[in-house]
Amino acid sequence: RKEVEQDPGPFNVPEGATVAFNCTYSNSASQSFFWYRQDCRKEPKLLMSVYSSGNEDGRFTAQLNRASQYISLLIRDSKLSDSATYLCVVMPRDTGRRALTFGSGTRLQVQP
Amino acid sequence: SAVISQKPSRDICQRGTSLTIQCQVDSQVTMMFWYRQQPGQSLTLIATANQGSEATYESGFVIDKFPISRPNLTFSTLTVSNMSPEDSSIYLCSVVTVNRAGSHEQYFGPGTRLTVT
Repeated sequence: RKEVEQDPGPFNVPEGATVAFNCTYSNSASQSFFWYRQDCRKEPKLLMSVYSSGNEDGRFTAQLNRASQYISLLIRDSKLSDSATYLCVVMPRDTGRRALTFGSGTRLQVQP
Repeated sequence: SAVISQKPSRDICQRGTSLTIQCQVDSQVTMMFWYRQQPGQSLTLIATANQGSEATYESGFVIDKFPISRPNLTFSTLTVSNMSPEDSSIYLCSVVTVNRAGSHEQYFGPGTRLTVT
């Protein structure tokens, strides 16, 4: 079983739609959680951290469910510029290394 | 956040040769990492670059194949040795910083696109 699992998509949605991605992780001792965005042929960029209480940044809302070991990302009012691959990322709580474990990503295509 | 640059941005190399990739950060950072992203795949951690000591390699990666230097807190190099076509990939340098809220955040350089023929 992969440490971080995501539906690869693609999710094809019209502009203005609301879309949600889920991600599950296997290590219950994981410490921190993030969503990254990766555009084609570019490096991943931090979109938002995911806190236990949930957090919102404009049109983006992230939720964490530790009991079920899943993380979600909700995008409201989708824009064409939201088209990208969204990576679910987990930081383990173990050795003091702060290296991330990446999901394989969910591809979003927002269509006009 | 941190500003990270990598050189070269891309290269095409012959099998059996070696390539050294440089990573420069605009501020001192404690933790630096090297990742690989093969075509159509997600990121895989190669190693943690430790300043003043040998790098810490992940399972499946060894120092002879991927020697790493970290002479100071702003710079690191990754060498891909004795290359084969299977080494064709994007290699990314990454650093961890602490934001205003005291949380750790990880940022990536623009990557080096390597093609081995």
